[in-house]
Amino acid sequence: AQSVTQLDSQVPVFEEAPVELRCNYSSSVSVYLFWYVQYPNQGLQLLLKYLSGSTLVESINGFEAEFNKSQTSFHLRKPSVHISDTAEYFCAVSDRLNAGGTSYGKLTFGQGTILTVHP
Amino acid sequence: EAGVAQSPRYKIIEKRQSVAFWCNPISGHATLYWYQQILGQGPKLLIQFQNNGVVDDSQLPKDRFSAERLKGVDSTLKIQPAKLEDSAVYLCASSLASGGVNEQFFGPGTRLTVL
Repeated sequence: AQSVTQLDSQVPVFEEAPVELRCNYSSSVSVYLFWYVQYPNQGLQLLLKYLSGSTLVESINGFEAEFNKSQTSFHLRKPSVHISDTAEYFCAVSDRLNAGGTSYGKLTFGQGTILTVHP
Repeated sequence: EAGVAQSPRYKIIEKRQSVAFWCNPISGHATLYWYQQILGQGPKLLIQFQNNGVVDDSQLPKDRFSAERLKGVDSTLKIQPAKLEDSAVYLCASSLASGGVNEQFFGPGTRLTVL
């Protein structure tokens, strides 16, 4: 079984300030890691993902996340936020292989973090 | 490329009534997912189809929820009878194939309110 904990339900921040959204997970098998974003009145969109290779992954709009296996974390960071980054962010995990030796790609989501960027 | 389509976008019903949601995945996507997102929580997988076969329905309340994917394309999710705790956003997603490496694309969701 897998679980995801997002440690902050709401994060208010001023424009151009740095931000970190925290995510910890637990799993009995190796996982893939994802961050999804949901802008107001829109559907979930994939922001970035870690599948393998470099533990630091980046999105096209300046966000980055680092996979830390020893701490079972996948925190999301941005050095300078914009008003347009206001949204709800979800961390999610997917099993690489389940006990049967297959992977169905089921996503287990955290509770979400609402990022509000103030002018 | 058209995204995942869902209808209706909103639905209000009274408890013990029945309701159905429809999803049209991205063309060519073999895998289809239904998630339930209760207010203040992350989405939770209800059922996953690979073509028209079910690969995971472990969290589907089968006494009241049912889903089908005829011909391996469109899918419907039904609740009968609805309970107050079924109030949530129901999300449909699709991916090229099963497996965590395949990106899931989400539809806009159907917001259900049970009174």
